[in-house]
Amino acid sequence: QQQVKQSPQSLIVQKGGISIINCAYENTAFDYFPWYQQFPGKGPALLIAIRPDVSEKKEGRFTISFNKSAKQFSLHIMDSQPGDSATYFCAAGQAGTALIFGKGTTLSVSS
Amino acid sequence: DAGVIQSPRHEVTEMGQEVTLRCKPISGHNSLFWYRQTMMRGLELLIYFNNNVPIDDSGMPEDRFSAKMPNASFSTLKIQPSEPRDSAVYFCASSPGLDYNEQFFGPGTRLTVL
Repeated sequence: QQQVKQSPQSLIVQKGGISIINCAYENTAFDYFPWYQQFPGKGPALLIAIRPDVSEKKEGRFTISFNKSAKQFSLHIMDSQPGDSATYFCAAGQAGTALIFGKGTTLSVSS
Repeated sequence: DAGVIQSPRHEVTEMGQEVTLRCKPISGHNSLFWYRQTMMRGLELLIYFNNNVPIDDSGMPEDRFSAKMPNASFSTLKIQPSEPRDSAVYFCASSPGLDYNEQFFGPGTRLTVL
């Protein structure tokens, strides 16, 4: 029940295309859903996060869509650029506990 | 601020040796996390502390692993004895607290056990 399942494991997108990464969770107590971005040789860094009181959050080219009833959330990267090539982790958490991370998606944006 | 500091950045050791990884969290942060990253398992939470107290160590793989946080500005992760399957990148992260706070990750320590 503590797992966060992330898909796909890897993704190749053409420059200018839309990248979509999906995550699903089981624990209905989770109420914080961040996405982290990791470049090779670096630690993950927070990209964008959402709370379940909204169904969508947008920051620039990055959008989180959240479906509470389905217990799913996704990251959409619009107009994907080669500089977006990285590993993306979804996570879920609740107050007073550590985040549970998905296994990651390696995104490659071809120019 | 310098961010989360980890040392060493790279460690190569032989099977059976003791390995100590070090972490200095961001000043003022009350929560500290140790993660292990491998291709097979992704990012695994090993243990986390809040106000220097270990809260959950259920992710520590076996008794060969131990972690301490003697004060708010320093933590260690020790592996004794090390084994080849311990080879991974180990990250330390800190956050202001456990409630919906951004975790700031260090640059990681790449451990290779021969």
